[in-house]
Amino acid sequence: QVQLVESGGGVVQPGRSLRLSCAASGFTFSNYAMHWVRQAPGKGLEWVALIAYDGSNKFYADSVRGRFTISRDSSKNTLYLLLNSLRAEDTAFYYCARDHDRFCSGGNCYPGYWGQGTLVTVSS
Amino acid sequence: QSVLTQPPSASGTSGQRVAISCSGSSSNIGNNNVHWYQQLPGTAPKLLIYKNIQRPAGVPDRFSGSKSGTSASLAISGLRSEDEADYYCASWDDSLTGPVFGGGTRLTVL
Repeated sequence: QVQLVESGGGVVQPGRSLRLSCAASGFTFSNYAMHWVRQAPGKGLEWVALIAYDGSNKFYADSVRGRFTISRDSSKNTLYLLLNSLRAEDTAFYYCARDHDRFCSGGNCYPGYWGQGTLVTVSS
Repeated sequence: QSVLTQPPSASGTSGQRVAISCSGSSSNIGNNNVHWYQQLPGTAPKLLIYKNIQRPAGVPDRFSGSKSGTSASLAISGLRSEDEADYYCASWDDSLTGPVFGGGTRLTVL
C-alpha cells in the first residue's frame, strides 16, 4: 500500500533554512507527481509546491515562490522540500502527498494519498 | 482568504442529509475538476471525492459530489457520528498554476 513518511521538521529561527524529506513506498515513485501541502495549527490546508512525475516541471504557491525549492530523487524514492528564509507564518504541519493519477506534469494534478505530516515551527 | 469559498460550519442530526458548498471562478472550478477531502480530528486529510463525482475505493456511497458552472457541492446522506470532520474542496487554478483549496467546513453531527 502507499506509504509516505515525512521527516526533517523541527524548531528553527526566522531567516534560517530547513530541509524536509518524504520517503515513499508501495508504488512506482517515478510515475507520479508529488505535492507538499501545509496546514498552520488550527487553520485550513494550503498547497505549497508540486513537482511533475519526471521532475520536468515545478510549481509553487505565491507565498513560498523564491524561498522554497521542491525536488525529487527517484533512485531513493524520496521527495524533498528546501525551506529558505523562513518566517513565522511558515509555521505549519507540512504534508507530503502523492498525486492521484499517474504521469501528471502540471495542470489538474491533485493530491491523492497523504503522509502524516511533519511540524515546522519558526520561532526565535 | 481562500480562493475557493466554503461555509465555515455545517451540522445535522444522525440519519440526516447535509450538503457543503464550494464556490469558485472560471479559472478554477469553472474550467477544472473538483475534489473533496475529509480530515478527521488529529489526522491527515484523505481524498473523499475526485473529479467531481468519483469515489475512491472504500468510500461509502453515502458521500456524493456534484459540480455546476463555478460551484460544487458535497452531499452526505445518512449522517453518522463518525462523519464529524473538516471537509475541504480543491481544484486546479489556471491563473495561479496550482491546486487551490477551500477554507474548509467543520461538520458537526448533533
